[in-house]
Amino acid sequence: KAGVTQTPRYLIKTRGQQVTLSCSPISGHRSVSWYQQTPGQGLQFLFEYFSETQRNKGNFPGRFSGRQFSNSRSEMNVSTLELGDSALYLCASSSNRGGAETEAFFGQGTRLTVV
Amino acid sequence: GENVEQHPSTLSVQEGDSAVIKCTYSDSASNYFPWYKQELGKGPQLIIDIRSNVGEKKDQRIAVTLNKTAKHFSLHITETQPEDSAVYFCATPLRGFKTIFGAGTRLFVKA
Repeated sequence: KAGVTQTPRYLIKTRGQQVTLSCSPISGHRSVSWYQQTPGQGLQFLFEYFSETQRNKGNFPGRFSGRQFSNSRSEMNVSTLELGDSALYLCASSSNRGGAETEAFFGQGTRLTVV
Repeated sequence: GENVEQHPSTLSVQEGDSAVIKCTYSDSASNYFPWYKQELGKGPQLIIDIRSNVGEKKDQRIAVTLNKTAKHFSLHITETQPEDSAVYFCATPLRGFKTIFGAGTRLFVKA
C-alpha cells in the first residue's frame, strides 16, 4: 500500500510570491491534515479536511488556505510569502470518520524556504 | 485549554539503557494517545499508540503507559540502540478533528 505522498519535496520561493503544496493520502483515507514544523514552534496544526470539507483550522493567518478534492487529494496554498513561512510542511492522512481517534500517517513533507 | 507538555526536551542515554519520555495533557476528553518518531529528513512515523480504556501497551522494546487521572502518558524504550536516536513526539487529538503535538524530545543513544 503506497504511503502519503507530498510534492514537491523542496521549494525555494521569494518573499511576496505564493506557493501551492500537494498531498496524496493513502488510498481509502478521506481525512487529510496539514502541519507546519519549525525548530522554534514544533508541529503546528494548520487545517483538516474530510470529504472536501474543512472541519477545523489552526491559528494561522488567512494567507494560509487549503482544499480537498473528490479523490481526497489535498492542496495547501500560502500567498504573499514571508520569511517566517520557511518551514517543513507535513501532511497526514487517516481513515478518520466521526472522531479523531484513528492512526495518522505522515508524508515526508515539503521543505519550503522563503528568501 | 489545548496543551500537551512533553519532557525532557533532550535525553542522552548509553546504548542498552532505558529511556522514558513523559507527556501531560489538559483536555480530559482526550482518549487516544499516539507517539511518533521522526528521523532526520523524514516525516513523523507512528510507533505506538494507546487508547483510554487500557493503562499500558507494549510492542517489543517500546511501551506506553497512561494515567488518565493524572492526565499523563509516557513512552518507555528498553535496551536502547543507536538507531533509536531520533526526535519523539507525543500527541493527542482534540474534539473538532484537531491533533496537537508535544514539543518533541531529542533522544541520543550513545554507542
